[in-house]
Amino acid sequence: AIQMTQSPSSLSASVGDRVTITCRASQGIKNDLGWYQQKPGKAPKLLIYGASSLQSGVPSRFSGSGSGTDFTLTISSLQPEDFATYYCLQNYNYPRTFGQGTKVEIK
Amino acid sequence: EVQLVQSGAEVKKPGESLRISCKGSGYTFSNFYVAWVRQMPGKGLEWMGTIYPGDSDTIYSPSFQGQVAISADKSVSAAFLMWSSLKASDTAMYYCARLDSGDYWGQGTLVTVSS
Repeated sequence: AIQMTQSPSSLSASVGDRVTITCRASQGIKNDLGWYQQKPGKAPKLLIYGASSLQSGVPSRFSGSGSGTDFTLTISSLQPEDFATYYCLQNYNYPRTFGQGTKVEIK
Repeated sequence: EVQLVQSGAEVKKPGESLRISCKGSGYTFSNFYVAWVRQMPGKGLEWMGTIYPGDSDTIYSPSFQGQVAISADKSVSAAFLMWSSLKASDTAMYYCARLDSGDYWGQGTLVTVSS
């Protein structure tokens, strides 16, 4: 199974900060990667698909980049509603695998 | 509107069996894979497996193969996740989701296994 290594596992940031989360795949997955946001007690929500395509309705401050093995989720200006846990998910092959998650906390 | 509605919370004892459900509506249920995702208390998301209701093609994560069974009944537009003998370590929130075309999630089913 492809392993997805996400970093950092947590970070503290302030409103307005630029935040970057990375995900590394144990083998090449082309651009078959999604980024999800999860808030406590809620189901995850897709932010980015195909590594860099913004899901409909998601604010443009979220962006994704990368291909092959290295991927990045960037929040250009962190907003109060962005404090949450973020996960990457590879959909290149089965079994699908999630990264371990990155908890974004208020500084 | 596409919806996935899961069955309610369950409290079971170790060794008991359980089946939880995920009912789809607003789309042709047979034509899209439905996945199951586990989230243990305070932990991350784990992809368990997926099923194509049209022909019941099922793919499991090696971590869950033999531990659970996934099935579907397209006549009632439902997918199921089943345990034959629960353990305390099965305590978790379980989500069904359509991950591969769009982004649709059930509300989650909390399974608590405790003696």
